[in-house]
Amino acid sequence: NAGVTQTPKFQVLKTGQSMTLQCAQDMNHNSMYWYRQDPGMGLRLIYYSASEGTTDKGEVPNGYNVSRLNKREFSLRLESAAPSQTSVYFCASRSGVAGSEQYFGPGTRLTVT
Amino acid sequence: GDSVTQMEGPVTLSEEAFLTINCTYTATGYPSLFWYVQYPGEGLQLLLKATKADDKGSNKGFEATYRKETTSFHLEKGSVQVSDSAVYFCALSFMDTGRRALTFGSGTRLQVQP
Repeated sequence: NAGVTQTPKFQVLKTGQSMTLQCAQDMNHNSMYWYRQDPGMGLRLIYYSASEGTTDKGEVPNGYNVSRLNKREFSLRLESAAPSQTSVYFCASRSGVAGSEQYFGPGTRLTVT
Repeated sequence: GDSVTQMEGPVTLSEEAFLTINCTYTATGYPSLFWYVQYPGEGLQLLLKATKADDKGSNKGFEATYRKETTSFHLEKGSVQVSDSAVYFCALSFMDTGRRALTFGSGTRLQVQP
């Protein structure tokens, strides 16, 4: 039982390049989330998926797209990376039971030059 | 919108000192409240939670009580250890479909010196 896994762990992009961050969970959770963490700002929600086949925007969705490929996988795509997207990205999942916690992946550190 | 406010850090303590990290929230309704901990280079881990007013969450010597009257969820530990050095995040969430995601505070860095 690996929990929530993310790939890659580190990535450096040039401005304008594209990439996809991968996330998978093996806990049979319905809901999945993408957050970004910037210094002094806590974590901010980018997109979430309440269940397979649905996605919704969070607080900071501009410049990102997501795909809920199946119940296990939820990917985040940067179509044209910008320096402002330099951040640490965390994926999380949650079962949906009342009061249940979110489980986080180890994060992807992305630098855009 | 919903928000969480935490005391700014860093908080620097000596080993065996008493810890309090303040957390207050603003929300419409009655959220579940959480404390998450992030050790250096790692993701977030749930430390404790409370789902209704007057509930006390506790884990690893840490505790926090859900106070509806003061909209607070302060984290306390009676005797900190060097291994408690980390960033602590207070967060809230609801069960409504549109608000299941966590809303985080900005985090408080704790440094415990031997």
